[in-house]
Amino acid sequence: GAGVSQSPSNKVTEKGKDVELRCDPISGHTALYWYRQRLGQGLEFLIYFQGNSAPDKSGLPSDRFSAERTGESVSTLTIQRTQQEDSAVYLCASSSRGYFPGELFFGEGSRLTVL
Amino acid sequence: GESVGLHLPTLSVQEGDNSIINCAYSNSASDYFIWYKQESGKGPQFIIDIRSNMDKRQGQRVTVLLNKTVKHLSLQIAATQPGDSAVYFCAENLRGGSQGNLIFGKGTKLSVKP
Repeated sequence: GAGVSQSPSNKVTEKGKDVELRCDPISGHTALYWYRQRLGQGLEFLIYFQGNSAPDKSGLPSDRFSAERTGESVSTLTIQRTQQEDSAVYLCASSSRGYFPGELFFGEGSRLTVL
Repeated sequence: GESVGLHLPTLSVQEGDNSIINCAYSNSASDYFIWYKQESGKGPQFIIDIRSNMDKRQGQRVTVLLNKTVKHLSLQIAATQPGDSAVYFCAENLRGGSQGNLIFGKGTKLSVKP
């Protein structure tokens, strides 16, 4: 498809399990962002990738969270030993960056529920 | 559009009225601003943007106003429709800043009454 694709769309897991969330950005977009959104709240920045530069990990809430991106393609967000407070929608966005970041194109999100 | 506690502030308007959603941004060096709309169960979508060398920009039924003196951004929606009901986020671009240069505001929920 032409948009940002995220999978799974819904994930229910038990406390203590690891989860992997996947993001397929728009082809050619060099910048990729991950955000967390708890129910009824705003966007919480997690991590940002720009081309082959070192990612900005300043938003990752703990060392249980990690993300990878190979080149300018797919990204995976991994949450280890999930806790109930990790329950949220995880949004991925990509953009084609120039002087200004331009429009961010968001996926529909992966809704994570930790029981 | 200021955050109050953990819940999003809500603006309730009558269908057909004009809506004004406000946002206070944090850094005077920010040079680019964007408004996003997020409908329930979906990812945010771009509405309109404005560069810091402008005070006003108009789109279809929407206008963004930028007041750099007081670091204030507003989104005006003309003739608000039920389909405008959503959460609206402002974002500021700070070149060289963290978070990929793009800082999102807390969001405002717009509720349109028929």
